Amino acid sequence: KNEVEQSPQNLTAQEGEFITINCSYSVGISALHWLQQHPGGGIVSLFMLSSGKKKHGRLIATINIQEKHSSLHITASHPRDSAVYICAGPNFGNEKLTFGTGTRLTIIP
Amino acid sequence: NAGVTQTPKFQVLKTGQSMTLQCAQDMNHEYMSWYRQDPGMGLRLIHYSVGAGITDQGEVPNGYNVSRSTTEDFPLRLLSAAPSQTSVYFCASRGHGDRGGYGYTFGSGTRLTVV
Repeated sequence: KNEVEQSPQNLTAQEGEFITINCSYSVGISALHWLQQHPGGGIVSLFMLSSGKKKHGRLIATINIQEKHSSLHITASHPRDSAVYICAGPNFGNEKLTFGTGTRLTIIP
Repeated sequence: NAGVTQTPKFQVLKTGQSMTLQCAQDMNHEYMSWYRQDPGMGLRLIHYSVGAGITDQGEVPNGYNVSRSTTEDFPLRLLSAAPSQTSVYFCASRGHGDRGGYGYTFGSGTRLTVV
């Protein structure tokens, strides 16, 4: 089974800080997913990446397939970025995802 | 474009009752899946489907049935509800061509309580 671990579990930062959330997985995968869960409970898919780096606005995701590691970065963080960030990797098939337990991010104005 | 629609949003069941959680998507996505989210445990895959007529089990399938008779709909059936099935349930879909995109589209969730 693909074990997915995230760090840190909780992160509090001041507005404007550069944020990094890490994700490690145990089994080689074809793609890794980053999700954002809002305080109200809704889940939004941020990235699906299989190599290199992707950028969407102030969010950047990177993946190192050889090291089985991915990072999610947020530049110029804002209170509206406060959410739980979840990474997920396939487990014996692209649709059988295993999820990390999430990183709770709080940005203080 | 409604995306992924889940109904109901809230439900209370008595132990032993059965019910169906509905999930529909209007994006012509091939892949659909059901997850449950419990405090401290993260999301866990219940069942998934890679196309109409094709379903498979995920990590925690016991007590749940699914079917995929059309591309649009992927209902989740609780056969005989148990308190251990108290959870928040999410349905999600993904198109085959999304490898360069953002991945899954999630429904808004169903909060189920079994008493």
